[in-house]
Amino acid sequence: AQSVAQPEDQVNVAEGNPLTVKCTYSVSGNPYLFWYVQYPNRGLQFLLKYITGDNLVKGSYGFEAEFNKSQTSFHLKKPSALVSDSALYFCAVRVSGNTGKLIFGQGTTLQVKP
Amino acid sequence: EADIYQTPRYLVIGTGKKITLECSQTMGHDKMYWYQQDPGMELHLIHYSYGVNSTEKGDLSSESTVSRIRTEHFPLTLESARPSHTSQYLCASNLAGLSYEQYFGPGTRLTVT
Repeated sequence: AQSVAQPEDQVNVAEGNPLTVKCTYSVSGNPYLFWYVQYPNRGLQFLLKYITGDNLVKGSYGFEAEFNKSQTSFHLKKPSALVSDSALYFCAVRVSGNTGKLIFGQGTTLQVKP
Repeated sequence: EADIYQTPRYLVIGTGKKITLECSQTMGHDKMYWYQQDPGMELHLIHYSYGVNSTEKGDLSSESTVSRIRTEHFPLTLESARPSHTSQYLCASNLAGLSYEQYFGPGTRLTVT
């Protein structure tokens, strides 16, 4: 069965420090992986995706993610956190087949303190 | 911001009322989705559509129904609202193809009293 896990409910970092939000996945075949961010009372905004190619994927707002096939992980990273990065982050994997469906992790709240 | 719209943004309604949550996209996407986001913030797929006149139930059982008469429009209806339907409802869409991400609307926060 396909699944996504975000092992941390909340991540706290100080402004200016690097941040990592963890994601591991379980799929059959090649994974198509996505990161989304959700601000309060808003829908999800697409940040970045891994389909194929370079394991380091760059996305919006200075975020990047590293695909690691051997560890089945797709951790979200940013070299220097901003207070405005504080939000809820979701990792997702595309379900195999043609439905376009995504399976989402449970979400990780990122708190960046000044 | 993606061109996908949801109305109303907030709705407070009494038990037993019929409601329709609207979702429209102007991107010509063939696939559309409805998610329910519970207080724990997890997302659960409740309906999806491949295209006009195509709808399927999602992974989470829901008493709501959907229709897809036009490509750009994917409304969700609750015939008789109950307090257990209180939640955030998110609509999303994407193009056919393996590499395409879903685009989300701003959501409708429904409260049933």
